[in-house]
Amino acid sequence: DTGVSQDPRHKITKRGQNVTFRCDPISEHNRLYWYRQTLGQGPEFLTYFQNEAQLEKSRLLSDRFSAERPKGSFSTLEIQRTEQGDSAMYLCASSLGLPGFREETQYFGPGTRLLVL
Amino acid sequence: LAKTTQPISMDSYEGQEVNITCSHNNIATNDYITWYQQFPSQGPRFIIQGYKTKVTNEVASLFIPADRKSSTLSLPRVSLSDTAVYYCLVGDGGDNFNKFYFGSGTKLNVKP
Repeated sequence: DTGVSQDPRHKITKRGQNVTFRCDPISEHNRLYWYRQTLGQGPEFLTYFQNEAQLEKSRLLSDRFSAERPKGSFSTLEIQRTEQGDSAMYLCASSLGLPGFREETQYFGPGTRLLVL
Repeated sequence: LAKTTQPISMDSYEGQEVNITCSHNNIATNDYITWYQQFPSQGPRFIIQGYKTKVTNEVASLFIPADRKSSTLSLPRVSLSDTAVYYCLVGDGGDNFNKFYFGSGTKLNVKP
């Protein structure tokens, strides 16, 4: 399977614990996105990487959230001191972005569903 | 912020053609229009993308008028498995990326 993969698919944690999610993008894709989705709402943009550089962070991404993409390959999203409000589906997407071209298709992974008790 | 507006929900019957219209009055000159489908507990799945006029692929057609302030996703002969949420997106980024605004989407319910 050459699509976007995410691990784990489900995570249950207690409030105050730290969690880390992993995303493996489609291999030749240079752009990687993280979104958060709560029940009944569309995905909300969190952050974006072009290769290994994190170029944009949403105001939704508080100081407890950090994302990395070492070597421009897989990415991790860490949430420190989790709160019940962090319970959501965390989606990763990747795309092949070409300079000067706005046409771009983001391919999404299956998501990681987080439940904070 | 280039937001989109879609109907919250639509009902249809198997075998019918479904048209979902999206308005995006503030679309930028060089932005593309993209539609995604999402089933419960799954990531969004790309359906179709276009810039102007009409685009057709094996699953859908996308109609975009000349002013590009709206677009219509057309699903021919829907089946029960097309019951899902459909999102219309336009880019909202700078020169290097597209930061999509998903909105709440349109929940399509296909009945037998």
